[in-house]
Amino acid sequence: EDKVVQSPLSLVVHEGDTVTLNCSYEVTNFRSLLWYKQEKKAPTFLFMLTSSGIEKKSGRLSSILDKKELFSILNITATQTGDSAVYLCAVNYGGSQGNLIFGKGTKLSVKP
Amino acid sequence: GAVVSQHPSWVICKSGTSVKIECRSLDFQATTMFWYRQFPKQSLMLMATSNEGSKATYEQGVEKDKFLINHASLTLSTLTVTSAHPEDSSFYICSAEEVDTQYFGPGTRLTVL
Repeated sequence: EDKVVQSPLSLVVHEGDTVTLNCSYEVTNFRSLLWYKQEKKAPTFLFMLTSSGIEKKSGRLSSILDKKELFSILNITATQTGDSAVYLCAVNYGGSQGNLIFGKGTKLSVKP
Repeated sequence: GAVVSQHPSWVICKSGTSVKIECRSLDFQATTMFWYRQFPKQSLMLMATSNEGSKATYEQGVEKDKFLINHASLTLSTLTVTSAHPEDSSFYICSAEEVDTQYFGPGTRLTVL
């Protein structure tokens, strides 16, 4: 059965800390892995990863994929209270065009 | 780029009425759009895949006669919740695919009284 597992489920840190969010997966016909940030409304796109070992960066956020070990990490450095959100990992698999299977998310709370 | 809008943002309706939710890709064409629902503190659950010009593909357990999907153009898909009941109250989110990435609309919160 295809699945995406995120850890931890919940995380509380203080401003300035660095956090690492984990996403492991088991899917057939892997196409890509995506990270989203969800605050009060719908998810906003962060990264799409298709190749192992190539780090994607956007400001204080970065992510990398390991297709051999079937996982990805999302790093956030120098966290700010605005980083508080649920971070969703999703894998695009080949069942139907563009279908995503989502993890349950990691709820990050950044305290001042 | 890759902006997806949804309308309305929230709706309250009486039990037994039908509600239509629109999803539009504003700056790109999307042959495929997706409809999700999300319950509080849970992840997104795919309801159906909407294909322009053809019938939607529904996930197992989703009633296609209750959740009517129409994808009449490359920029518009609609979800109609027919004969809504309180258990249909949820957060409905659409997404549109561009270059292997799904971009989400802001979501519609439906409350059925």
